[in-house]
Amino acid sequence: EIVLTQSPATLSLSPGERATLSCRASQSVSSYLAWYQQKPGQAPRLLIYDASNRATGIPARFSGSGSGTDFTLTISSLEPEDFAVYYCQQRSNWPPVWTFGQGTKVEIK
Amino acid sequence: QLQLQESGPGLVKPSETLSLTCTVSGGSISSSSYYWGWIRQPPGKGLEWIGSIYYSGSTYYNPSLKSRVTISVDTSKNQFSLKLSSVTAADTAVYYCEAAGIGFDYWGQGTLVTVSS
Repeated sequence: EIVLTQSPATLSLSPGERATLSCRASQSVSSYLAWYQQKPGQAPRLLIYDASNRATGIPARFSGSGSGTDFTLTISSLEPEDFAVYYCQQRSNWPPVWTFGQGTKVEIK
Repeated sequence: QLQLQESGPGLVKPSETLSLTCTVSGGSISSSSYYWGWIRQPPGKGLEWIGSIYYSGSTYYNPSLKSRVTISVDTSKNQFSLKLSSVTAADTAVYYCEAAGIGFDYWGQGTLVTVSS
């Protein structure tokens, strides 16, 4: 089973700053890596799929990069609505098994 | 645009079976574009994939829950369902149904299920 480890657990930043979130896989996941944003009381929202592709309607300030075992989600300039918890997620090729990282909370400093 | 809505009891007794249904609108559950599945989130904790079903009827389960989980589809009602047997307090969580295409593209709003006597 592939384990995803996210770091840091909490990121304290101010609006306008750049946020860099990391996700490391215990073995290669190729580029099948997605990122989600979750706000309190809401379902998660897909931000990035296949490591670097923005989902429909996602602002350009969100970008993803990486392949193999190391991935990064970057928010270029934090808006007030970006303070939330972010999860990475992978799907194994066959049989399909989905796993999540434990999450990174981006909080207002 | 798909819409998903969970329904089912909010309170289940220990050792009993948790049963939830997800109703899909805005698209057909017979579509080959998606895996239909369930994810849960214990209060204050992270996300856990429970399992998924494909339009062909093939099912895929989280190995840690596999012995207790059954996911099925009712194409006549455009619904899919989750059954989780022998529940304990550790199964208390918000349960989300979802449609997985490029990622988990669509989510229901989630329903809190509490396991308590």
